[in-house]
Order: sequence, then C-alpha cells, then structure tokens
Amino acid sequence: GAVVSQHPSWVICKSGTSVKIECRSLDFQATTMFWYRQFPKQSLMLMATSNEGSKATYEQGVEKDKFLINHASLTLSTLTVTSAHPEDSSFYICSPAGRGVQETQYFGPGTRLLVL
Amino acid sequence: GDSVTQMEGPVTLSEEAFLTINCTYTATGYPSLFWYVQYPGEGLQLLLKATKADDKGSNKGFEATYRKETTSFHLEKGSVQVSDSAVYFCALSGQTGANNLFFGTGTRLTVIP
Repeated sequence: GAVVSQHPSWVICKSGTSVKIECRSLDFQATTMFWYRQFPKQSLMLMATSNEGSKATYEQGVEKDKFLINHASLTLSTLTVTSAHPEDSSFYICSPAGRGVQETQYFGPGTRLLVL
Repeated sequence: GDSVTQMEGPVTLSEEAFLTINCTYTATGYPSLFWYVQYPGEGLQLLLKATKADDKGSNKGFEATYRKETTSFHLEKGSVQVSDSAVYFCALSGQTGANNLFFGTGTRLTVIP
C-alpha cells in the first residue's frame, strides 16, 4: 500500500499560537487530500477535502479561516491550525487519494495536538 | 444521516481467545462497509471490506459479514495473536462514494500472551 507520513506526530503548544501539520504521500500522487479530526472517544470526522492546486472544501461547522489547508503539490499537503485554543486539541489525520474515486483510502499515522 | 456505531473498548484478550467487535450502521441506500486497523505509530490500513448484503470480507484471519437485516458488520477472529493489538475502526462509504467515509469511534484491542 501507499506510504503516508505526517509531521509532527504530536505537538504541544500554547493557546494563541499556530501549528502546521505536514502530510506527505511518499510513493503516491495525491491529487486529493482528506483531512480528518478525532476527538477522544468520538469518530473520525472529515474536516475538509482539497484538490491539488485549488482551494479546499470544508465540511459544515469547520472554520476555514482557522484550519488553513494548502495542497500545492501532489506529494505534500499542510494543515495549519491558526490561533489554536484548547478546544482544538485533537488527533488530526490526513488521507491522500489519487485520481478518480478509490475504493481504498490510505491514511497518515496522525498528529496529536494538545493546546495548553 | 449515515453513521456507524461501534463497540466501545478497550478490549483485552488473552492470546488464542475469540474476538468479536460489534459494529452497526445507519445508512440510506446500499453503502459499502469496511474495517480499518491502526497499529501503533502507523496510519489506518484497510483490513477488509464488503460491498453488498451477505458479502463476507476476510483477511488475516479476520472476518465480517454484511448483514442488511440487522444493519451490522461485526468483526470476528477465532484466535487472536499479540500482533493483532491495535485500534480497529468500522466504517461505511456514503452515497457519494468510497471517498466519503463515516467512521466509528474505534476499538482498542490489546492481546496479552
């Protein structure tokens, strides 16, 4: 299967700071990138979908100005949590997909964010 | 809307014990159903899937049968190993296709020797 990496694997930051999470598809051209978030004891929830070179589409209830997604290349997408607050503490997972609809999705190992 | 309800964990079993992780779903239409596994430090990996009613997905000794009448897709394994320790996620694909996955909360399984 495809190899997907995320960096950092976990991060602790102070409230009000911004945090950037990188997602790389190491052997896979990710024309589409899905970003998920998981709160403790809850399901993974889709936050946004981005296509390479275009703006991301955000799910209802997800603030696009707070969660900035950049998908400038086929191998790298970034999620920046701006002015993070304790309620943004969560587990963030990226999932790249290739051209067209795929039955199997690949996932990064996730980034755990703790905002103090 | 579409949703998945999954057995809460954590689950701790002795090696060679029988495993069942329950999963039920709510969906319109005929979704595909999946089990994903996440080993420590790794991303979610597809474990098995079923695309229509009465299909049985199987892989690595794990099985799950798509039961439309009970809207269930329970994961089973007859004899677990220590290496099966991981978090297991049940998921379904929404109406728009496999790229719109709805996940359960995940069940952490620990197998002790």
